[in-house]
Formats: sequence, structure tokens, C-alpha cells
Amino acid sequence: KAGVTQTPRYLIKTRGQQVTLSCSPISGHRSVSWYQQTPGQGLQFLFEYFSETQRNKGNFPGRFSGRQFSNSRSEMNVSTLELGDSALYLCASSWGGRGNTEAFFGQGTRLTVV
Amino acid sequence: AQKVTQAQTEISVVEKEDVTLDCVYETRDTTYYLFWYKQPPSGELVFLIRRNSFDEQNEISGRYSWNFQKSTSSFNFTITASQVVDSAVYFCALSETGSARQLTFGSGTQLTVLP
Repeated sequence: KAGVTQTPRYLIKTRGQQVTLSCSPISGHRSVSWYQQTPGQGLQFLFEYFSETQRNKGNFPGRFSGRQFSNSRSEMNVSTLELGDSALYLCASSWGGRGNTEAFFGQGTRLTVV
Repeated sequence: AQKVTQAQTEISVVEKEDVTLDCVYETRDTTYYLFWYKQPPSGELVFLIRRNSFDEQNEISGRYSWNFQKSTSSFNFTITASQVVDSAVYFCALSETGSARQLTFGSGTQLTVLP
């Protein structure tokens, strides 16, 4: 069973640009959650998508957005990049149904904003 | 509001020593789930254990054991006879909704096991 796949693994962008990150969940999983990991703030929940709808959202500015496609693959977009957006972005895949409590994480995309 | 505190930022032990990683949580909910994840240098978070608030039974899995005490809001993790491969960052996390899809993480503990 293939795991959670995040692409690309590494990205370098310039301040002011925008970026799109991709996450392919485990086959059969319908929920994708995104997390940002930085040395200063640690791991923080960004948002969760389930069946193409955003179900939960963390406390991040509107520059951070996402979407989910009918095959459950999800993309995360950050517009007008700031230096502080440099982070490891992790996505987690889970079945997403009621009572399900285990999420499997990808290896992350390391974004560097210069 | 929910909060998870891992007061130990870094721990170093010599191989074969036992080590305990502390986790203290805060939540207003009566139903919640606690998790431990391991993050090796490769970056992905590896699931170790999930415990719900109604199950205070301690658990042992090989060299790993967990002690959940609601009275002190703690969910500590012990590695017995540590090995170099245990070196990683360990995160404790809390979910109030019963879902692992929206987790509140502690700041993590960097464990280094020296040969």
C-alpha cells in the first residue's frame, strides 16, 4: 500500500511569489490535513479537506488556501510569500469517517523563501 | 483552548538506558484523544500510539510504554533499553474531536541516543 506522497520535496521561492504544494493521500483515504512546521512555532494545523470541502481551518491568514480534487488529492497554495513562510509543510491522510482517529503523514515539502 | 506542553526540549542518553519523555496537556473537553508521533530526520511523522480519555490503562509495546494519568493531565512515554535508532524528535499531540485530522502538537523533544 503506497504511503502519502508530497511533491515537490524541496522548493525555493522568492518573497512575493506564490507556491503550490501537492499531497496524494493513501488510496481510499478521503481526508487530507495540512500542517506547517517551523522552528519557532512548531507544528501548526492549517486546514483539513474531506470530500472536496474544507472541513476545518486553523489560524492562518487568507494567503494560505487549499483545495481537494475528486480523487482526494489535495493542493495547498500560499500567495504573496513572506520570509516567515519558510517551513516544512506536512500533509496527513486519513479515512476521515466518524470515529477514525489515525492519520498517516507524508515526508513533507520543505519551502524556503528568500 | 487546548494546549500540549513538552517541557523537555532535548534529552541525551547512552544506549541501553531507559528514558521518559514527558507530556502535559490542557483541554476542556471530557472526550479527547492523545497521540505520540516520532519524527526521524527524513521528516515524516510516524504514528506510535493513540489513547482516548476514557482509557487510562497503561500500554506496553515492545520497548515502548505509555503512562496516562488524567489526574495530572499527563501522558508520558518511556523507552526501555534505548537504541541509537530511537534518536528522533518525539511529539505528543491532542485531538478534542476524536479525530487525528486536526491535532494540537507539543513543541517536541529531541532525543539523542549515544552509542
